[in-house]
Amino acid sequence: DAGVIQSPRHEVTEMGQEVTLRCKPISGHNSLFWYRQTMMRGLELLIYFNNNVPIDDSGMPEDRFSAKMPNASFSTLKIQPSEPRDSAVYFCASSRTLTSRNYEQYFGPGTRLTVT
Amino acid sequence: EDQVTQSPEALRLQEGESSSLNCSYTVSGLRGLFWYRQDPGKGPEFLFTLYSAGEEKEKERLKATLTKKESFLHITAPKPEDSATYLCAVQVEGSSNTGKLIFGQGTTLQVKP
Repeated sequence: DAGVIQSPRHEVTEMGQEVTLRCKPISGHNSLFWYRQTMMRGLELLIYFNNNVPIDDSGMPEDRFSAKMPNASFSTLKIQPSEPRDSAVYFCASSRTLTSRNYEQYFGPGTRLTVT
Repeated sequence: EDQVTQSPEALRLQEGESSSLNCSYTVSGLRGLFWYRQDPGKGPEFLFTLYSAGEEKEKERLKATLTKKESFLHITAPKPEDSATYLCAVQVEGSSNTGKLIFGQGTTLQVKP
């Protein structure tokens, strides 16, 4: 399997612009997670989906952030408008999840976002 | 509040010098504890999952153990290629957050030849 695929790998944009990050989870995984990693705050969960349905979005910083999962093989994280403080590495991860036990999450390579 | 604390923040070892990394956790109910390795510019790579106190898992020079309050990642005779940041994460019981991982800040390990 190719693993979790993220695009783009690097994104540089100006403040106020819309940014869309994309993720393709591992085939057969039914849970998908979006994380943000910074030096100051470490790795933080933004939102996660189970069977394409958002389960917990309590980590989404504010209304400028939105995420969708239209099908089992694709998800997007959108920031509109972007701000310099959004600069970070954004990771997507996926896992198999059963009702009684959850499985390990597998991470993509990340998207390094720089907002100037 | 659920919390995960890793120590030390950074660790420098000579090749062959064994040591341990610590992950302390305070959670309402532990579903699982996970160890990941992260190399610069890459995503975290899964290493181990531990589910109950007393459990141990091994992989090459790494051994993870779990008690009711903490987990240790023991590194035996490390090599320079073991240099990375090691992340600990916990999964908390609860019907509304069965997928959520809470990560510690990580321990950055440097092994010198």
